[in-house]
Amino acid sequence: RKEVEQDPGPFNVPEGATVAFNCTYSNSASQSFFWYRQDCRKEPKLLMSVYSSGNEDGRFTAQLNRASQYISLLIRDSKLSDSATYLCVVNMGNYGQNFVFGPGTRLSVLP
Amino acid sequence: GAGVSQSPSNKVTEKGKDVELRCDPISGHTALYWYRQSLGQGLEFLIYFQGNSAPDKSGLPSDRFSAERTGGSVSTLTIQRTQQEDSAVYLCASSSFPSSYNSPLHFGNGTRLTVT
Repeated sequence: RKEVEQDPGPFNVPEGATVAFNCTYSNSASQSFFWYRQDCRKEPKLLMSVYSSGNEDGRFTAQLNRASQYISLLIRDSKLSDSATYLCVVNMGNYGQNFVFGPGTRLSVLP
Repeated sequence: GAGVSQSPSNKVTEKGKDVELRCDPISGHTALYWYRQSLGQGLEFLIYFQGNSAPDKSGLPSDRFSAERTGGSVSTLTIQRTQQEDSAVYLCASSSFPSSYNSPLHFGNGTRLTVT
């Protein structure tokens, strides 16, 4: 089993749609959680951290369920500019490669 | 403030030559990571530096790859006798983890390496 798994995608949605991405992680001792977005041929950029109580940033809402080892990202009122690959990242707190990346889910928002 | 800086942004080299890629992390960040990403693929972990601790080199694909971090700041990734399969984007990232518990990774713009 991979350490961080994500919805395989791709997701093709019309503008204005609501879309949700899911992510699961294997290490119950994981310490912190993030969503990044990566545009084609660009570096990953932090979208938002994920806090235990859930958090919202404009049209984006992140949720964490530690008991189920599950993270989600909800995007409301999708824009064309939201088209990108969304990466779930988990800091497992071990020495070494503690930031573990999921394979990413590609989103295309269509006009 | 300044972000993670990488140089060069693009590098074209002939097969068999050595290359050096540079990363200047965010000031004060003790953790520094190198990744590479081939076209259409996910991030591949290469090496991790944390303060003065011995680096985690477990992701280096062969002994042609090495990295140093001098003075706890700037890092250089060296690829000796480059091969065509080394062509990829090499990404550097830094973090203030573990001193800041929830600190994320901050990425540089990457170096696009093409081996001809």
